[in-house]
Amino acid sequence: IAGITQAPTSQILAAGRRMTLRCTQDMRHNAMYWYRQDLGLGLRLIHYSNTAGTTGKGEVPDGYSVSRANTDDFPLTLASAVPSQTSVYFCASSEVPYNEQFFGPGTRLTVL
Amino acid sequence: AQKVTQAQTEISVVEKEDVTLDCVYETRDTTYYLFWYKQPPSGELVFLIRRNSFDEQNEISGRYSWNFQKSTSSFNFTITASQVVDSAVYFCALSEAGGTSYGKLTFGQGTILTVHP
Repeated sequence: IAGITQAPTSQILAAGRRMTLRCTQDMRHNAMYWYRQDLGLGLRLIHYSNTAGTTGKGEVPDGYSVSRANTDDFPLTLASAVPSQTSVYFCASSEVPYNEQFFGPGTRLTVL
Repeated sequence: AQKVTQAQTEISVVEKEDVTLDCVYETRDTTYYLFWYKQPPSGELVFLIRRNSFDEQNEISGRYSWNFQKSTSSFNFTITASQVVDSAVYFCALSEAGGTSYGKLTFGQGTILTVHP
């Protein structure tokens, strides 16, 4: 059982480029989340999905979009990357929205 | 809006010392959930505990214990007889059960714990 996988593990990206971070879970969890982690700021919620077919905005959604076409996948897209989006990105899932969340290994993104 | 504050940015102890990590939260909801996560140097986030707002009983799991006090809006975490392997960043988090914040985790800034041999 893999739990949550994220790809890529790390990426260096030129500013202005489009990038999709992938997230897949095999636990059949209803809810999925994307966070970014920046030094001194903890983890901040970007977007979430309480169930397949629905998405919502978190605390820092600007510059990011998500889709939830099925239960297992929850990709995060940066339409036009900017240096302030340099961060570590974590995908998470939970069986129902207020249960404990299980996290993927993270994607380290650098935008130059 | 929900908020979590971990006032201790960094704590340094010597092995076998007890250490308490503080967490104070703000919420307008009467039903909410509190969490602690551990992030070791390898980077993954490990779930430690979840408490709901109606259960104020303290919890002990091995060397770990948690003290939940609604009167002071605190959910503190104590490690007894700390070990080097406890060195990590620890995050406290809050999730409200209703309204627009339903299910969304708000994290504190994290406390970096270093345990020296």
